[in-house]
Amino acid sequence: AAGVIQSPRHLIKEKRETATLKCYPIPRHDTVYWYQQGPGQDPQFLISFYEKMQSDKGSIPDRFSAQQFSDYHSELNMSSLELGDSALYFCASSLVGGDNTGELFFGEGSRLTVL
Amino acid sequence: DQQVKQNSPSLSVQEGRISILNCDYTNSMFDYFLWYKKYPAEGPTFLISISSIKDKNEDGRFTVFLNKSAKHLSLHIVPSQPGDSAVYFCAASGGGYQKVTFGTGTKLQVIP
Repeated sequence: AAGVIQSPRHLIKEKRETATLKCYPIPRHDTVYWYQQGPGQDPQFLISFYEKMQSDKGSIPDRFSAQQFSDYHSELNMSSLELGDSALYFCASSLVGGDNTGELFFGEGSRLTVL
Repeated sequence: DQQVKQNSPSLSVQEGRISILNCDYTNSMFDYFLWYKKYPAEGPTFLISISSIKDKNEDGRFTVFLNKSAKHLSLHIVPSQPGDSAVYFCAASGGGYQKVTFGTGTKLQVIP
């Protein structure tokens, strides 16, 4: 079965550079979530999209932006990168409907290293 | 404020014995609870869930118990196997398209 696809799996950038992470949800899923997990930390919710519109916002820095496109894939754009942005970025998708239960399916993550 | 709390950062259990992972929550609006299992450098994998209308849900070796009055849930793994060694995250949702709130995780080590 198709899973959540994230790219790239690994990315190395320097401070003040820009990075873009992509997420392709499970087919027919309409909701995408982005999480950031720093070393030794629990996943922190960043932002979510439902039907291509932002549905919730967590601890996402102003330097970050995200959107969901017409094909439901999502991109997380990070500018003016800082050392503290080094983390594993997870994307998750779910299907929201009458019986939505919040179950998320996660991708394998994109590891960003900022030097 | 941490709305979903896992107070034990780690747990060691002998193979074949029961593993009990605990989770407490503070938001009474949560009506759906999930457990995820996570291996290093991989995304969390959904394990088992429970709706607030139930107090128990069982799936093979995994059982989740929910005590709404105490705002407490627990995951029981029996018998525990070495392959169960991972970090387990408790998560809660208010339904709809609201975000899922994660706990801080409990690292389980099953000793052969």
